[in-house]
Amino acid sequence: DVKVTQSSRYLVKRTGEKVFLECVQDMDHENMFWYRQDPGLGLRLIYFSYDVKMKEKGDIPEGYSVSREKKERFSLILESASTNQTSMYLCASSSPQPFGLNTEAFFGQGTRLTVV
Amino acid sequence: QKEVEQNSGPLSVPEGAIASLNCTYSDRGSQSFFWYRQYSGKSPELIMFIYSNGDKEDGRFTAQLNKASQYVSLLIRDSQPSDSATYLCAVKPRYAGGGNKLTFGTGTQLKVEL
Repeated sequence: DVKVTQSSRYLVKRTGEKVFLECVQDMDHENMFWYRQDPGLGLRLIYFSYDVKMKEKGDIPEGYSVSREKKERFSLILESASTNQTSMYLCASSSPQPFGLNTEAFFGQGTRLTVV
Repeated sequence: QKEVEQNSGPLSVPEGAIASLNCTYSDRGSQSFFWYRQYSGKSPELIMFIYSNGDKEDGRFTAQLNKASQYVSLLIRDSQPSDSATYLCAVKPRYAGGGNKLTFGTGTQLKVEL
C-alpha cells in the first residue's frame, strides 16, 4: 500500500519561528511536491522536486524553501513564520510515468499549521 | 481564465440520485485527467483518472472526457451520504515539465441529502 507520511498532523508556531515540515514516501517516487490549501483558493503548489537535491519553484514559493537530501524525504521550511502562512500543507509524490499515462499524485495526511 | 475551472457548489443531490460534477480546462494539449475526493479535514484521494476521449466506468463512478470541448466530468450514480465531500479535478498539461506537475481546480463541494 502506497504511503506518504507527514511528520505532524497539527502544528502551532509563533510568528518569526523557523518551521520544518517533513514528508516521507515509501514508493521510491522521483517526484515530490508541497502544496498549501486554503478555502476558496484550492491547492497551490509551493515547491516541487523531481530528483534528489533538485528543486523548482511552484506558484507561490515566497517565504518558503525546501530540502531534498534523500529520495524518500522532502522537507518544507518556513524561514520566519508569519500569520499569513497559517494553512493546510499537503505533501504529495508521483512517479515519472511516460507521456499521457497515469501520473497520479499520492498525498500525505496533511499538516494544519497555525501561526500565532 | 483559470487553467482548471470547477463550480465551487455546493451541489446538493438527494440520496440515490446521480451527481454530475464538471470541470473545464484551458490547455488544449492536456494529457491526463484526474478526479480526487477530499473529505473535510482530510487529504485528497484519487478516485478516477482518464486520458482517452469517452467514458470510463469504475463501480458507481464514471469519468467522461471530451478533449474537443475541453471538459471532463464525473458522474456518481446512486449517490450516498458518504459521497458528501469536495471533488477536485486535476489536469496534467501538455508541458508538465519536470515533476509531471498536475494543475488542480478549486473543487466542487457535493452534499448528498437523506
